[in-house]
Amino acid sequence: GENVEQHPSTLSVQEGDSAVIKCTYSDSASNYFPWYKQELGKGPQLIIDIRSNVGEKKDQRIAVTLNKTAKHFSLHITETQPEDSAVYFCAAVNSGANSKLTFGKGITLSVRP
Amino acid sequence: DVKVTQSSRYLVKRTGEKVFLECVQDMDHENMFWYRQDPGLGLRLIYFSYDVKMKEKGDIPEGYSVSREKKERFSLILESASTNQTSMYLCASSSPSAGGPRDTQYFGPGTRLTVL
Repeated sequence: GENVEQHPSTLSVQEGDSAVIKCTYSDSASNYFPWYKQELGKGPQLIIDIRSNVGEKKDQRIAVTLNKTAKHFSLHITETQPEDSAVYFCAAVNSGANSKLTFGKGITLSVRP
Repeated sequence: DVKVTQSSRYLVKRTGEKVFLECVQDMDHENMFWYRQDPGLGLRLIYFSYDVKMKEKGDIPEGYSVSREKKERFSLILESASTNQTSMYLCASSSPSAGGPRDTQYFGPGTRLTVL
C-alpha cells in the first residue's frame, strides 16, 4: 500500500518568511495529493490540492509542487502570518482505485511574530 | 458549504463501557470515514463506508465497529472501551459524484474521547 512520509515534525519560521513542507510517497500510481491544515481544536481543512497531470498549483500565498519522478510534493507558504500556525497534513491516493487517502504524520508549523 | 458534525466534542467513559460516536453530513456524500488522531502517529483510518449498509475495514479496525443505516449518518462503536482507545476521533465525508474533486474529504471538528 501507499506510504506517505512527512519531515520534519516541527517547523518554526519568522513572520514574513517563507515556509516549505515536504512529503514523499511510495506508490507511483498515486495521482491526487491534498494538503490539510488543522487549527487547534478543529478538524483538518483542505487548503490546496494537486493532481498528477500538473506540476504546480498556486492559490494566493500558498502553492504546491509535485515531482512525480522523485515521488515527492511540497507545500510552499509565502509571507507567513501568525494565523498560518497550525498542523499541516499531506496525503496521497490513487483515485482510480478508491478514495482512501493515506496521510503523513503531520508537521506543526509555528510562525513567530 | 459542506458541514460534517460530530455528536460530542468531549467524552469521558469508563473501561468496558459501550461507546457510540455519531457523525452526520449534510451534503449527500456517498463516502464516510472514521479516523483516530494521536500525537506522532497522524491520522489513522479505522473504518469507512462507500454506501448505506456498506462498511470496509481501514488500517486499525480492531476494537471498533461501525453502522451506516442512513446515507447522512455514520456511527463508530467501541464495543468495550479500553484505555488505549483514548484519542481524538475524526469523521470525514466525500463524494465521487459531487462537482468537486472526487477524493476531497471534509472533516468534522472531532471528538476527544477519554477512557478511564
